[in-house]
Amino acid sequence: EAGVAQSPRYKIIEKRQSVAFWCNPISGHATLYWYQQILGQGPKLLIQFQNNGVVDDSQLPKDRFSAERLKGVDSTLKIQPAKLEDSAVYLCASTMDLRTDTQYFGPGTRLTVL
Amino acid sequence: AQSVTQLDSQVPVFEEAPVELRCNYSSSVSVYLFWYVQYPNQGLQLLLKYLSGSTLVKGINGFEAEFNKSQTSFHLRKPSVHISDTAEYFCAVRRNSGNTPLVFGKGTRLSVIA
Repeated sequence: EAGVAQSPRYKIIEKRQSVAFWCNPISGHATLYWYQQILGQGPKLLIQFQNNGVVDDSQLPKDRFSAERLKGVDSTLKIQPAKLEDSAVYLCASTMDLRTDTQYFGPGTRLTVL
Repeated sequence: AQSVTQLDSQVPVFEEAPVELRCNYSSSVSVYLFWYVQYPNQGLQLLLKYLSGSTLVKGINGFEAEFNKSQTSFHLRKPSVHISDTAEYFCAVRRNSGNTPLVFGKGTRLSVIA
């Protein structure tokens, strides 16, 4: 079974530029998560989708971050405009069983904002 | 709300020695508990989880953890570590009902020395 795919793996941009990350979850997984992992910290949930609907986006900085999951499969996370403090690894995860919550993580996208 | 404290940010240990990585959580409701491992430049992988039942949970790669409700702890142990166990380990918690996010600790860096 293929795992969670993410691209790009690395991205370097200057502040005030825009950037987008892509995630393809495991086939059949209805729930998809985006996390932000700042160096030296654990992952922090940004947004959770159930199929193509948003379940929780309470920690998403909506003035600059947006995410969508068209057709309930792939997802895109966008930052516009980026700030220095957005430098982090952005992890995508998916799960089939929401109750027991075994999440499967992708390799992440490492974003550096200069 | 739930929170997780990983008491050690770094744990160096010699190869074939035992190791314990400590995790304490805070919650006013019943929770599920998880340990994830993150190898360099990779996403997180589930080691083990406690949902209910036996308080001693066995996971992959020879790791185990014990849920102690009175101490609000979920420490991770391995009787004999290998060089390949060098990685970042994250403890995580979520309440066992409803749709609430995983809350991660800051992580413990395990370094196995030959």
